[in-house]
Amino acid sequence: ETGVTQSPTHLIKTRGQQVTLRCSSQSGHNTVSWYQQALGQGPQFIFQYYREEENGRGNFPPRFSGLQFPNYSSELNVNALELDDSALYLCASSQGARGVEAFFGQGTRLTVV
Amino acid sequence: KNEVEQSPQNLTAQEGEFITINCSYSVGISALHWLQQHPGGGIVSLFMLSSGKKKHGRLIATINIQEKHSSLHITASHPRDSAVYICAVLDDMRFGAGTRLTVKP
Repeated sequence: ETGVTQSPTHLIKTRGQQVTLRCSSQSGHNTVSWYQQALGQGPQFIFQYYREEENGRGNFPPRFSGLQFPNYSSELNVNALELDDSALYLCASSQGARGVEAFFGQGTRLTVV
Repeated sequence: KNEVEQSPQNLTAQEGEFITINCSYSVGISALHWLQQHPGGGIVSLFMLSSGKKKHGRLIATINIQEKHSSLHITASHPRDSAVYICAVLDDMRFGAGTRLTVKP
């Protein structure tokens, strides 16, 4: 049990729809990172939020956007869903953005049909 | 070429065997992480290493900064160790593709 909670755990959406995934960070953590993991591959970095500001972004299009709230929980929003967006979405929280241990949630498995 | 390379991709062992998973990286790092991912998807952080060696139970992780190489060892492997093991340079958001370990009873 890492103290990092993601919701929902599973989700099915139709191509073109929008989705919001949520992550509650561990108490005392001010940084949340989001990753996309396709089947059989390692996670790919989407973006990171540190103290409510975006603190780095991977190679993902603008239709992937995020938000971090004052309590440091975070949302990942994906607009205009495509079939290739089907993946496991993981968030990780940490105290600080670099050189620290990260704690991962269980992930949200998104299927786009 | 991935900047974080793991080997082997898949590994099958008999219960009790000693297991080694290797990770090579080409980026400069402040720390390397070993992660464990079970079939449900959740990831557990096993080790964060910046030098030398760390041990936790039957798990041992070593790193050689000069050679840019790290290893994860599992002693007296058990079927419950079956999982995907991932090495990662989290500061650079780089992950290996993972090693799928299956330990048979």
